[in-house]
Amino acid sequence: SQKIEQNSEALNIQEGKTATLTCNYTNYSPAYLQWYRQDPGRGPVFLLLIRENEKEKRKERLKVTFDTTLKQSLFHITASQPADSATYLCAPKGRGSYIPTFGRGTSLIVHP
Amino acid sequence: DGGITQSPKYLFRKEGQNVTLSCEQNLNHDAMYWYRQDPGQGLRLIYYSQIVNDFQKGDIAEGYSVSREKKESFPLTVTSAQKNPTAFYLCASSVDRVGEKLFFGSGTQLSVL
Repeated sequence: SQKIEQNSEALNIQEGKTATLTCNYTNYSPAYLQWYRQDPGRGPVFLLLIRENEKEKRKERLKVTFDTTLKQSLFHITASQPADSATYLCAPKGRGSYIPTFGRGTSLIVHP
Repeated sequence: DGGITQSPKYLFRKEGQNVTLSCEQNLNHDAMYWYRQDPGQGLRLIYYSQIVNDFQKGDIAEGYSVSREKKESFPLTVTSAQKNPTAFYLCASSVDRVGEKLFFGSGTQLSVL
Protein backbone atom coordinates (compact mmCIF):
# COMPACT_ATOMS: atom_id res chain seq x y z
CA SER A 1 0.00 0.00 0.00
CA GLN A 2 1.03 3.61 -0.48
CA LYS A 3 2.95 5.02 2.43
CA ILE A 4 4.21 8.48 3.36
CA GLU A 5 6.87 8.90 6.00
CA GLN A 6 7.68 12.13 7.78
CA ASN A 7 9.86 12.28 10.85
CA SER A 8 7.55 12.01 13.86
CA GLU A 9 10.12 13.57 16.16
CA ALA A 10 10.13 17.34 16.41
CA LEU A 11 12.98 19.19 14.76
CA ASN A 12 14.56 21.75 17.07
CA ILE A 13 16.87 24.37 15.57
CA GLN A 14 18.30 27.75 16.46
CA GLU A 15 17.04 30.94 14.87
CA GLY A 16 18.95 31.83 11.72
CA LYS A 17 19.83 28.25 10.82
CA THR A 18 18.41 26.27 7.90
CA ALA A 19 15.70 23.75 8.74
CA THR A 20 15.44 20.66 6.55
CA LEU A 21 12.40 18.40 6.70
CA THR A 22 12.13 15.06 4.93
CA CYS A 23 9.24 13.31 3.20
CA ASN A 24 9.72 9.76 1.97
CA TYR A 25 7.09 7.82 0.07
CA THR A 26 6.82 4.19 -1.00
CA ASN A 27 4.76 2.09 -3.38
CA TYR A 28 3.75 4.87 -5.73
CA SER A 29 5.06 7.49 -8.10
CA PRO A 30 3.51 10.88 -7.40
CA ALA A 31 2.74 13.17 -10.31
CA TYR A 32 3.40 16.06 -7.91
CA LEU A 33 3.99 16.75 -4.25
CA GLN A 34 2.76 19.58 -2.06
CA TRP A 35 3.92 21.04 1.26
CA TYR A 36 1.60 22.67 3.76
CA ARG A 37 2.08 24.43 7.09
CA GLN A 38 -0.29 23.78 9.99
CA ASP A 39 -0.47 25.73 13.24
CA PRO A 40 -2.15 24.20 16.34
CA GLY A 41 -5.93 24.21 16.08
CA ARG A 42 -5.89 25.66 12.56
CA GLY A 43 -6.27 24.35 9.03
CA PRO A 44 -3.19 23.70 6.88
CA VAL A 45 -1.90 26.46 4.63
CA PHE A 46 -0.52 25.66 1.16
CA LEU A 47 3.14 26.54 0.69
CA LEU A 48 4.65 24.94 -2.41
CA LEU A 49 3.87 22.42 -5.15
CA ILE A 50 6.59 20.61 -7.12
CA ARG A 51 5.93 18.41 -10.14
CA GLU A 52 7.73 15.20 -11.08
CA ASN A 53 9.65 16.90 -13.88
CA GLU A 54 10.95 19.63 -11.55
CA LYS A 55 14.02 19.10 -9.41
CA GLU A 56 13.67 22.17 -7.24
CA LYS A 57 11.17 24.93 -6.42
CA ARG A 58 11.77 28.11 -4.44
CA LYS A 59 9.59 30.70 -2.76
CA GLU A 60 11.25 33.40 -0.68
CA ARG A 61 13.03 31.52 2.16
CA LEU A 62 11.50 28.18 1.21
CA LYS A 63 12.97 25.55 -1.08
CA VAL A 64 11.61 22.14 -2.04
CA THR A 65 13.40 19.36 -3.88
CA PHE A 66 11.87 16.26 -5.43
CA ASP A 67 13.97 13.17 -6.12
CA THR A 68 11.84 10.55 -7.86
CA THR A 69 14.71 8.05 -7.80
CA LEU A 70 15.12 8.24 -4.04
CA LYS A 71 11.34 8.68 -3.62
CA GLN A 72 11.98 11.66 -1.41
CA SER A 73 11.22 15.34 -1.06
CA LEU A 74 13.20 17.74 1.09
CA PHE A 75 11.74 20.99 2.43
CA HIS A 76 14.17 23.71 3.48
CA ILE A 77 13.58 26.93 5.39
CA THR A 78 16.60 29.20 5.33
CA ALA A 79 17.30 31.87 7.94
CA SER A 80 14.65 30.30 10.15
CA GLN A 81 12.65 32.41 12.59
CA PRO A 82 10.62 31.51 15.70
CA ALA A 83 7.51 32.39 13.64
CA ASP A 84 8.34 29.43 11.38
CA SER A 85 7.56 27.07 14.27
CA ALA A 86 4.67 24.86 13.12
CA THR A 87 3.91 21.41 11.76
CA TYR A 88 4.77 20.87 8.10
CA LEU A 89 2.77 18.37 6.08
CA CYS A 90 3.88 16.60 2.93
CA ALA A 91 1.16 15.62 0.42
CA PRO A 92 2.11 13.57 -2.65
CA LYS A 93 -0.52 12.89 -5.30
CA GLY A 94 -0.53 9.55 -7.04
CA ARG A 95 -1.26 9.24 -10.75
CA GLY A 96 -4.46 7.26 -10.35
CA SER A 97 -6.06 9.65 -7.89
CA TYR A 98 -7.53 13.13 -8.00
CA ILE A 99 -6.65 13.74 -4.38
CA PRO A 100 -3.34 14.13 -2.54
CA THR A 101 -2.59 11.98 0.48
CA PHE A 102 -1.20 13.76 3.52
CA GLY A 103 1.62 12.61 5.76
CA ARG A 104 1.45 12.98 9.55
CA GLY A 105 3.70 16.01 9.45
CA THR A 106 6.87 17.04 11.24
CA SER A 107 6.86 19.62 14.00
CA LEU A 108 9.49 22.35 13.64
CA ILE A 109 10.51 24.40 16.67
CA VAL A 110 12.78 27.38 16.08
CA HIS A 111 14.44 28.66 19.24
CA PRO A 112 15.36 32.35 19.57
CA ASP B 1 -12.36 38.89 2.08
CA GLY B 2 -12.51 35.55 0.29
CA GLY B 3 -12.16 32.38 2.27
CA ILE B 4 -13.67 29.24 3.73
CA THR B 5 -15.84 29.41 6.81
CA GLN B 6 -16.40 26.37 8.96
CA SER B 7 -18.91 26.36 11.77
CA PRO B 8 -19.21 25.73 14.57
CA LYS B 9 -15.65 25.80 15.92
CA TYR B 10 -16.57 23.26 18.60
CA LEU B 11 -19.39 20.71 18.49
CA PHE B 12 -20.59 18.07 20.88
CA ARG B 13 -22.54 15.00 19.88
CA LYS B 14 -24.68 12.78 22.03
CA GLU B 15 -24.90 9.06 21.47
CA GLY B 16 -27.18 8.18 18.56
CA GLN B 17 -27.34 11.75 17.32
CA ASN B 18 -26.62 13.04 13.82
CA VAL B 19 -24.74 16.33 13.62
CA THR B 20 -23.99 18.56 10.64
CA LEU B 21 -20.81 20.56 10.12
CA SER B 22 -21.08 23.61 7.93
CA CYS B 23 -18.59 24.63 5.24
CA GLU B 24 -19.09 27.73 3.09
CA GLN B 25 -16.65 29.27 0.60
CA ASN B 26 -16.79 32.52 -1.37
CA LEU B 27 -13.71 31.80 -3.46
CA ASN B 28 -15.71 30.56 -6.46
CA HIS B 29 -13.81 27.24 -6.26
CA ASP B 30 -15.28 24.23 -8.01
CA ALA B 31 -13.77 21.46 -5.88
CA MET B 32 -14.41 20.98 -2.18
CA TYR B 33 -13.19 18.38 0.32
CA TRP B 34 -13.72 17.07 3.82
CA TYR B 35 -10.82 15.66 5.83
CA ARG B 36 -10.63 14.19 9.30
CA GLN B 37 -7.55 14.67 11.50
CA ASP B 38 -6.87 12.65 14.64
CA PRO B 39 -4.08 13.61 17.09
CA GLY B 40 -0.68 12.73 15.67
CA GLN B 41 -2.26 11.47 12.45
CA GLY B 42 -2.28 12.66 8.89
CA LEU B 43 -5.38 14.05 7.21
CA ARG B 44 -7.75 11.37 5.96
CA LEU B 45 -10.19 12.11 3.15
CA ILE B 46 -13.88 11.61 3.91
CA TYR B 47 -15.60 12.98 0.78
CA TYR B 48 -14.82 15.31 -2.07
CA SER B 49 -16.83 17.10 -4.73
CA GLN B 50 -15.55 18.34 -8.08
CA ILE B 51 -18.74 20.11 -9.17
CA VAL B 52 -22.21 20.92 -7.90
CA ASN B 53 -24.52 17.93 -7.43
CA ASP B 54 -21.63 15.48 -7.62
CA PHE B 55 -19.47 14.02 -4.86
CA GLN B 56 -17.23 11.00 -4.33
CA LYS B 57 -16.34 8.88 -1.33
CA GLY B 58 -12.90 9.18 0.13
CA ASP B 59 -10.96 6.67 2.20
CA ILE B 60 -13.16 6.81 5.31
CA ALA B 61 -16.68 7.70 4.11
CA GLU B 62 -18.55 5.17 6.26
CA GLY B 63 -20.74 6.89 8.84
CA TYR B 64 -20.66 10.23 7.01
CA SER B 65 -22.83 11.90 4.37
CA VAL B 66 -22.52 15.08 2.30
CA SER B 67 -24.46 17.18 -0.17
CA ARG B 68 -23.39 19.73 -2.80
CA GLU B 69 -26.51 21.61 -3.83
CA LYS B 70 -24.70 24.91 -4.19
CA LYS B 71 -21.20 25.73 -5.36
CA GLU B 72 -20.49 27.65 -2.16
CA SER B 73 -21.62 25.02 0.32
CA PHE B 74 -20.50 21.48 1.20
CA PRO B 75 -22.01 20.39 4.56
CA LEU B 76 -20.89 17.19 6.26
CA THR B 77 -23.25 15.11 8.39
CA VAL B 78 -21.73 12.80 10.97
CA THR B 79 -24.32 10.08 11.46
CA SER B 80 -24.92 7.82 14.44
CA ALA B 81 -23.30 5.04 12.39
CA GLN B 82 -19.92 6.72 12.91
CA LYS B 83 -18.84 5.06 16.16
CA ASN B 84 -15.70 7.07 16.74
CA PRO B 85 -16.51 10.60 15.61
CA THR B 86 -14.23 12.54 17.96
CA ALA B 87 -11.74 14.33 15.71
CA PHE B 88 -10.79 17.64 14.09
CA TYR B 89 -12.71 18.09 10.83
CA LEU B 90 -11.28 20.20 8.03
CA CYS B 91 -13.04 21.49 4.95
CA ALA B 92 -11.03 22.63 1.93
CA SER B 93 -11.49 23.88 -1.62
CA SER B 94 -9.35 24.23 -4.73
CA VAL B 95 -9.62 26.12 -8.00
CA ASP B 96 -6.82 25.14 -10.38
CA ARG B 97 -7.35 21.40 -10.65
CA VAL B 98 -8.82 18.92 -8.27
CA GLY B 99 -6.27 18.18 -5.57
CA GLU B 100 -3.86 21.05 -6.18
CA LYS B 101 -3.26 23.94 -3.80
CA LEU B 102 -6.00 23.23 -1.31
CA PHE B 103 -7.36 26.17 0.68
CA PHE B 104 -8.48 25.03 4.15
CA GLY B 105 -10.98 26.34 6.65
CA SER B 106 -10.12 26.72 10.33
CA GLY B 107 -11.70 23.41 11.31
CA THR B 108 -14.39 22.04 13.62
CA GLN B 109 -13.50 20.01 16.71
CA LEU B 110 -16.17 17.38 17.27
CA SER B 111 -16.41 15.59 20.61
CA VAL B 112 -18.76 12.95 21.96
CA LEU B 113 -20.61 13.61 25.23
